[in-house]
Amino acid sequence: GENVEQHPSTLSVQEGDSAVIKCTYSDSASNYFPWYKQELGKGPQLIIDIRSNVGEKKDQRIAVTLNKTAKHFSLHITETQPEDSAVYFCAASKGPTSYDKVIFGPGTSLSVIP
Amino acid sequence: DVKVTQSSRYLVKRTGEKVFLECVQDMDHENMFWYRQDPGLGLRLIYFSYDVKMKEKGDIPEGYSVSREKKERFSLILESASTNQTSMYLCASRFRTYDVIRRGNTIYFGEGSWLTVV
Repeated sequence: GENVEQHPSTLSVQEGDSAVIKCTYSDSASNYFPWYKQELGKGPQLIIDIRSNVGEKKDQRIAVTLNKTAKHFSLHITETQPEDSAVYFCAASKGPTSYDKVIFGPGTSLSVIP
Repeated sequence: DVKVTQSSRYLVKRTGEKVFLECVQDMDHENMFWYRQDPGLGLRLIYFSYDVKMKEKGDIPEGYSVSREKKERFSLILESASTNQTSMYLCASRFRTYDVIRRGNTIYFGEGSWLTVV
């Protein structure tokens, strides 16, 4: 079945360093790849997304890259800050159709050490 | 701002009890979802609803049912709670997928309901 793998499961970085989280997906028909951030005690929130017709997208300190051939996509956070500490989920979906199932990865717990 | 509200943040129930988890969204979204979140397993889809009175099973529907009588409200029901249903439950909503080009594809989540079954 459809599957999204995510690595690493935990990541610790020093404040100011960069963090990279990598995901792979199994369904080559997937065309939409969102990233969600979940802070402690809260629900996940969308932070950035990318569609399959784009190879890279950037929003201030975060960027996402997509390699459709290899079915990989990655989240890059530069100049990390303590408030970046959270669980990050990647996801993949295909559509638009009347039902567009979103498959989430297992999550990465990021700790930014001051 | 979109708001997805889960009425109960923390619940403790006994084995065998019937449990209702309520979710309300205020953005006129057609699609609504119930996910379960467990450490190391990510977000697993229990049920989703295309629209009012429509429902489809997700990946782990066993032991759960849902109700969508009004567009803004989606309820998750545990018919007979068991200890292995102790978890965090997340409700979410989104516009109908064929509207995504005009109105976006973002899934909006509630803050979660922590359920402990003893």
